[in-house]
Amino acid sequence: GESVGLHLPTLSVQEGDNSIINCAYSNSASDYFIWYKQESGKGPQFIIDIRSNMDKRQGQRVTVLLNKTVKHLSLQIAATQPGDSAVYFCAEMFGNQFYFGTGTSLTVIP
Amino acid sequence: DGGITQSPKYLFRKEGQNVTLSCEQNLNHDAMYWYRQDPGQGLRLIYYSQIVNDFQKGDIAEGYSVSREKKESFPLTVTSAQKNPTAFYLCASISPGSYGYTFGSGTRLTVV
Repeated sequence: GESVGLHLPTLSVQEGDNSIINCAYSNSASDYFIWYKQESGKGPQFIIDIRSNMDKRQGQRVTVLLNKTVKHLSLQIAATQPGDSAVYFCAEMFGNQFYFGTGTSLTVIP
Repeated sequence: DGGITQSPKYLFRKEGQNVTLSCEQNLNHDAMYWYRQDPGQGLRLIYYSQIVNDFQKGDIAEGYSVSREKKESFPLTVTSAQKNPTAFYLCASISPGSYGYTFGSGTRLTVV
């Protein structure tokens, strides 16, 4: 899972398997959350977002789940592909500012 | 195509030098941000600007300076007072109604 700290969690999955990346956010009053994908040497790219009045949102091959009770966010990637290899991190919005997690490095094994 | 352009992609700084990182956006976004990214750490906010000619310090503003003379441009100067400037710097912008930040491709700054 992902948390604010000095270690970057890693996850390795076989091509075609599903991936689940976790994020523990810090502020129970945060009302908007985003998952970003960052490839090496590039800027982060928006993947999917969710508001605090929802507990699940689906996109193309991605699903975000929000559990406000335990302040937990997860990103599920279906049928993971080699192009999904990257660092994924969550962001929470509180008080008109975003706060970012450290990220999880996903490696897809062909 | 609309987006954020950061330049240069790689920058080398000698001890005691000031260097300026460029960030230009053509998204007509009001707010712009500078973040620093270090290995194993989340993005840390350096400075942000919500309107032209106004900017605010973020969590780690010491040793950095910015200007916002035009809506499209938000350059970041890393001064000699920043003792550990080696990092990946990301510029971002946002506008009401947009889905989170749009990020630039980053500038990697290395002290030599």
